[in-house]
Amino acid sequence: GAVVSQHPSRVICKSGTSVKIECRSLDFQATTMFWYRQFPKKSLMLMATSNEGSKATYEQGVEKDKFLINHASLTLSTLTVTSAHPEDSSFYICSGTLYMNTEAFFGQGTRLTVV
Amino acid sequence: GENVEQHPSTLSVQEGDSAVIKCTYSDSASNYFPWYKQELGKRPQLIIDIRSNVGEKKDQRIAVTLNKTAKHFSLHITETQPEDSAVYFCAASMMDYKLSFGAGTTVTVRA
Repeated sequence: GAVVSQHPSRVICKSGTSVKIECRSLDFQATTMFWYRQFPKKSLMLMATSNEGSKATYEQGVEKDKFLINHASLTLSTLTVTSAHPEDSSFYICSGTLYMNTEAFFGQGTRLTVV
Repeated sequence: GENVEQHPSTLSVQEGDSAVIKCTYSDSASNYFPWYKQELGKRPQLIIDIRSNVGEKKDQRIAVTLNKTAKHFSLHITETQPEDSAVYFCAASMMDYKLSFGAGTTVTVRA
């Protein structure tokens, strides 16, 4: 299957700083990428849909100024958590799809800890 | 938006027995239903998926059934093995690619 690479896998940052997470589709062009947040023992909650070359679409309740998403190319989407606070600590995971309603390929996920 | 409910939240089975997880969805426009297996701290892995034009699909020990009228679909794992222990998520998607996930089922296979 297609590969989505997400980095970093773990990051610890100080409260008030910003953290950038990268999601790359290595062997396919993902016109659409999705960013999820997952709390321990919980489901994946969609944060935003990222389309190449256009502004991301955020789900209700997700602060777009806090979670900046950029999808500058067909193989790279980034999520920047700005002015991170301890409550932003979570597992963030991206996914990309090849075609409509086909398998979503997930990145490895990023464990963010804000101290 | 789409709402996916998943039951049970936890499931413990004896090795060799079958495991069944059920999901319901709210939007009749949903037409793609994947199942994911996630181990602790890892990415979700697709184990099987089904589209709305099919009622049943099987891949070795794993099968999925879909009832469009009732808007529910189920995952069946037969001859369970310890390595089947994980969290399983169902999901539903419409034409906009977005996956709505169920809450997850923690499956424990007892040796």
